[in-house]
Amino acid sequence: RKEVEQDPGPFNVPEGATVAFNCTYSNSASQSFFWYRQDCRKEPKLLMSVYSSGNEDGRFTAQLNRASQYISLLIRDSKLSDSATYLCVVNLLDDMRFGAGTRLTVKP
Amino acid sequence: DAGVTQSPTHLIKTRGQQVTLRCSPISGHKSVSWYQQVLGQGPQFIFQYYEKEERGRGNFPDRFSARQFPNYSSELNVNALLLGDSALYLCASGQPNTGELFFGEGSRLTVL
Repeated sequence: RKEVEQDPGPFNVPEGATVAFNCTYSNSASQSFFWYRQDCRKEPKLLMSVYSSGNEDGRFTAQLNRASQYISLLIRDSKLSDSATYLCVVNLLDDMRFGAGTRLTVKP
Repeated sequence: DAGVTQSPTHLIKTRGQQVTLRCSPISGHKSVSWYQQVLGQGPQFIFQYYEKEERGRGNFPDRFSARQFPNYSSELNVNALLLGDSALYLCASGQPNTGELFFGEGSRLTVL
């Protein structure tokens, strides 16, 4: 079983759609969780941290369920500029492990 | 402030050769991590160094080695290159207690 597994994608959605990304992780001792965004042929960049209580940043909402070892990212009112690959990241003792990523394309 | 810088940005090698990739972390960051990203996959952890000591190692063969210098810059070395080593090699620095990584733009290695 992979340490971090994500929806394989790709997702192709129209502008304004709501899209959800799912992620599961295998190590229950994992300590912190993140979503990173990676544009084509660019480096990954932190999108947002994920907290147990859930957190929101504008159109983006992240959720964590430690019991199920499940992480999600919801994007509302998607924009063309949201097109990218979204990477789920799990931190265990400062060892950051990445999922394979889910590619999103938002179309006009 | 300068971000994470890596060099070279692109390089082409042939099978059996050796390569050294370099990374300078963000000023004040003492932790450097190396990742390999193959097209269509997420970054795979290779090494982490903190205060010049290896803190973690991913599932990579001994052909891969790294070190961190007193100024916290780092080098990744790969010996006896194989075609499958062709990838984007990413360096990241961060503060371990935050878990947040800042990546450089990467070194794109092509092995022919």
